[in-house]
Amino acid sequence: GEDVEQSLFLSVREGDSSVINCTYTDSSSTYLYWYKQEPGAGLQLLTYIFSNMDMKQDQRLTVLLNKKDKHLSLRIADTQTGDSAIYFCAESIRGSQGNLIFGKGTKLSVKP
Amino acid sequence: GAVVSQHPSWVICKSGTSVKIECRSLDFQATTMFWYRQFPKQSLMLMATSNEGSKATYEQGVEKDKFLINHASLTLSTLTVTSAHPEDSSFYICSAKRWAGGNGQNPLVTQYFGPGTRLLVL
Repeated sequence: GEDVEQSLFLSVREGDSSVINCTYTDSSSTYLYWYKQEPGAGLQLLTYIFSNMDMKQDQRLTVLLNKKDKHLSLRIADTQTGDSAIYFCAESIRGSQGNLIFGKGTKLSVKP
Repeated sequence: GAVVSQHPSWVICKSGTSVKIECRSLDFQATTMFWYRQFPKQSLMLMATSNEGSKATYEQGVEKDKFLINHASLTLSTLTVTSAHPEDSSFYICSAKRWAGGNGQNPLVTQYFGPGTRLLVL
């Protein structure tokens, strides 16, 4: 079945890079997404990557996709305290009409 | 980016009363909206898929008579928690599906989320 797995917690120091990892099981994923949720708020779409791509970079964010291993990662360079949030990985399955399967979220804590 | 609003942002009600939560897509039309419930340990639970002009599709274990969903227009979906009980206290988040490109075989579809509604049932 469809499943998206993430580690629940990550703690880094301000200025370091953060790498949040995600694995998924369905090989027919079309797009993979990263969402950010700040405390008490809804989810904000950060970035996405098409399943035929290996990498996508957007300012401090780098998304790496290893389709063979079904592994997705989000790297945040120069992590700031404002990056503290929960990050959700999600996949869209071909033929699913765009419905998304979410992971449980990784809580990123940035220490000064 | 696309904007989705929710109202109210928080609500406190007495046990046994009903509470209605609205979800609006402000700058795009959404034939499909989703309702999630988020538990304290952060995971999102999809409750139902709301389709404009038709009945909602509920996930297994979600009582459709308790969580009434209406999607009467392309920009509005409502979730009504009927006869609320303390165990219904939670953070409810809606999202609206939007086609954002791609091609016919690989459409890029994103979900834009509302800010959430905190429900506390006393």
